[in-house]
Amino acid sequence: QQQVKQSPQSLIVQKGGISIINCAYENTAFDYFPWYQQFPGKGPALLIAIRPDVSEKKEGRFTISFNKSAKQFSLHIMDSQPGDSATYFCAANQAGTALIFGKGTTLSVSS
Amino acid sequence: DTAVSQTPKYLVTQMGNDKSIKCEQNLGHDTMYWYKQDSKKFLKIMFSYNNKELIINETVPNRFSPKSPDKAHLNLHINSLELGDSAVYFCASSQLAGDNEQFFGPGTRLTVL
Repeated sequence: QQQVKQSPQSLIVQKGGISIINCAYENTAFDYFPWYQQFPGKGPALLIAIRPDVSEKKEGRFTISFNKSAKQFSLHIMDSQPGDSATYFCAANQAGTALIFGKGTTLSVSS
Repeated sequence: DTAVSQTPKYLVTQMGNDKSIKCEQNLGHDTMYWYKQDSKKFLKIMFSYNNKELIINETVPNRFSPKSPDKAHLNLHINSLELGDSAVYFCASSQLAGDNEQFFGPGTRLTVL
């Protein structure tokens, strides 16, 4: 049973465009929702994270939107750049438990 | 300075062999993890240790045995390797168990022939 569903599986965006990746979760006890970025041959690195007490968090060009009632959260990358080309993972957990990762989205930003 | 390091980076071995992967973190974190990333890039937790104590043990064959000699090290030993064990294995650490930021190592690509 997959507790965190991520879409799309792959995404191609023009340079300067907006990249949007969506995730949906099932466990209402989850209270931490991070996004990780992974470049080829590297380990995942935390990009941005949100807790359910806020509906949006922005860090530079990266924004998480969170909809608690719909049990969905999304990553928006504004002004997408070729250097943003990577695999993005959403994840979720509740305190003291393992992170459950989505299946990943491969983003390609064309110049 | 590397925060989370793993050795080796690549490991190629024959079916049936026993191998180990080492992980060290110099962040002073209390919690360490092992994840497996399959060929489709799916990341799944295998084990978690908090201060040398096992706190998470997902459904993993008992051929996999983690060992934590101290809170800065978490090694993974795999017995009787099978073709399906081929994957990238990531070590990670966090200040506390649960929802704090997890820092991942560079990964070890294991290929079983």
